[in-house]
Amino acid sequence: RKEVEQDPGPFNVPEGATVAFNCTYSNSASQSFFWYRQDCRKEPKLLMSVYSSGNEDGRFTAQLNRASQYISLLIRDSKLSDSATYLCVVSISNTGNQFYFGTGTSLTVIP
Amino acid sequence: SQTIHQWPATLVQPVGSPLSLECTVEGTSNPNLYWYRQAAGRGLQLLFYSVGIGQISSEVPQNLSASRPQDRQFILSSKKLLLSDSGFYLCAWQTRTSSWETQYFGPGTRLLVL
Repeated sequence: RKEVEQDPGPFNVPEGATVAFNCTYSNSASQSFFWYRQDCRKEPKLLMSVYSSGNEDGRFTAQLNRASQYISLLIRDSKLSDSATYLCVVSISNTGNQFYFGTGTSLTVIP
Repeated sequence: SQTIHQWPATLVQPVGSPLSLECTVEGTSNPNLYWYRQAAGRGLQLLFYSVGIGQISSEVPQNLSASRPQDRQFILSSKKLLLSDSGFYLCAWQTRTSSWETQYFGPGTRLLVL
């Protein structure tokens, strides 16, 4: 069973739309949670960390549900520049500082 | 500020040839270092990680090896490349203070084995 699972998409949404990505993780010892963004043929870059109480950064909102082992990312007022692949990442406390990456969800924002 | 460098940016190698990819980090000391591979259309696969000079942990048995000769230098090698070694190789660093610290990626090396 994969440590992190994401819906691969693709999600094709019009500019200005709200889109939500979901991610589940299998190990209850997971301790840290992140969303990364990866543009085509580029390295992943941190979008935001995910805190237990949920957190917001501009148009982006991340939520964590430890009981359901579920993480989400909400993007409001989508921009063309939001087109990318979004990677869900967890760090598991009993495996040192290893990160486990989902395969990513592809988003294309259409004019 | 911290920066991470990888080279070369792209590489085309014949099957059976050797490989050496280098990663260096600037602006930090005692980082954790990681090598990942991303095959076309697939997720990131952790290959090796290192918590200090000469300390290498391997996650996936294969024909690749890694070395850390200096604190901020991480090298990925192979004696004989396979077709299946093609992919996007990413080096990442992380501060060692806690597992809550983000990993930061270098620009990657795109390897094509023919």
